[in-house]
Amino acid sequence: GDSVTQMEGPVTLSEEAFLTINCTYTATGYPSLFWYVQYPGEGLQLLLKATKADDKGSNKGFEATYRKETTSFHLEKGSVQVSDSAVYFCALARMDSSYKLIFGSGTRLLVRP
Amino acid sequence: DGGITQSPKYLFRKEGQNVTLSCEQNLNHDAMYWYRQDPGQGLRLIYYSQIVNDFQKGDIAEGYSVSREKKESFPLTVTSAQKNPTAFYLCASSMQTGNTEAFFGQGTRLTVV
Repeated sequence: GDSVTQMEGPVTLSEEAFLTINCTYTATGYPSLFWYVQYPGEGLQLLLKATKADDKGSNKGFEATYRKETTSFHLEKGSVQVSDSAVYFCALARMDSSYKLIFGSGTRLLVRP
Repeated sequence: DGGITQSPKYLFRKEGQNVTLSCEQNLNHDAMYWYRQDPGQGLRLIYYSQIVNDFQKGDIAEGYSVSREKKESFPLTVTSAQKNPTAFYLCASSMQTGNTEAFFGQGTRLTVV
């Protein structure tokens, strides 16, 4: 079945460091791919998305490129801030009639001043 | 403002009792979802509904029930049959297409005492 695999956290970085959170997926067809962010005690917010191969989603300095050949959608940011500390979820939307979202297990990011 | 509202934010339940979590959206979305999140884990799909008066089981539906009598509302009942109900519950909604984002509520933290 469809699945999403993320790197385990926590990821601990100093402010202004470069961030990469790996995400790979298994799916039939061509799913849409998403990154969501969750701040403590809150729901999830969409961070960025890509709907077809080679698309690059970007928002708030974060970006991710839909790589069909490697079935990956890695999240990157050139210079993290303390305020980026949160849990990041990679997800795919199945392209059958259900359009169900399938989430990875989440990666906690902690940015130290 | 459009959005999705969950209530209450915190809920305590005695063992053996049923409890209902509320989820309301004014985004005119067709699809609504319930997810369960356990500490340090990803989101697992409990139930989803693509249209009024119709819903399907997700990956962990046992011990839960839902209804979808109105487009705006998708309440979740945690029954006494759910053996380990303490968790963070998230409701989401989306347009019925695969490339649009899901909007999440703020979540309800249920604790069995």
